[in-house]
Amino acid sequence: GGIITQTPKFLIGQEGQKLTLKCQQNFNHDTMYWYRQDSGKGLRLIYYSITENDLQKGDLSEGYDASREKKSSFSLTVTSAQKNEMAVFLCASSPDRAHAEQFFGPGTRLTVL
Amino acid sequence: GEQVEQLPSILRVQEGSSASINCTYENSASNYFPWYKQEPGENPKLIIDIRSNMERKQTQGLIVLLDKKAKRFSLHITDTQPGDSAMYFCAASASGYNKLTFGKGTVLLVSP
Repeated sequence: GGIITQTPKFLIGQEGQKLTLKCQQNFNHDTMYWYRQDSGKGLRLIYYSITENDLQKGDLSEGYDASREKKSSFSLTVTSAQKNEMAVFLCASSPDRAHAEQFFGPGTRLTVL
Repeated sequence: GEQVEQLPSILRVQEGSSASINCTYENSASNYFPWYKQEPGENPKLIIDIRSNMERKQTQGLIVLLDKKAKRFSLHITDTQPGDSAMYFCAASASGYNKLTFGKGTVLLVSP
């Protein structure tokens, strides 16, 4: 088994602020993902990475940067937080094979004041 | 890219009855359709999936049907229990790197 850790669990920011979310996994999975979850909008893919130093844009990449520093970690940066923004950011990982299950972390809840 | 529509957004059923959630997709190249369950305060977890070479799959009270011609797939929960109350997401994938497109989710509420 393994675990995905996301830090911080709660993140409160100010409008315009640059905010970084971190994700670590010990599954030794090749592929990692960042999703944004909004009420009524499901899970939307922001970025994913198929290996260390790789970066692929998802459907919602504008306004975000990401970095896959090493196989076990994948960070996401909100480049300029939007006022009154509230969302949950979920990190996930999966093995590098077709149709593999994605394992999700507990999420980071973002609130922008 | 892919678009996945999921209905209904909220589903209320009585304990012991069945519940059905329907999804449609646009990309005819999609070949993998997983379903994830997210309980309150928890992260999403895979509960069942189906590949495009199958039309039906069943496991532990869950049935998934796939109609490739209609680009439609559905989840059926038989004999629902209060513990089935959760958010359910369907998803579709056409790429080899497991890039999933999720539906907007269905809140299932099972009342005793």
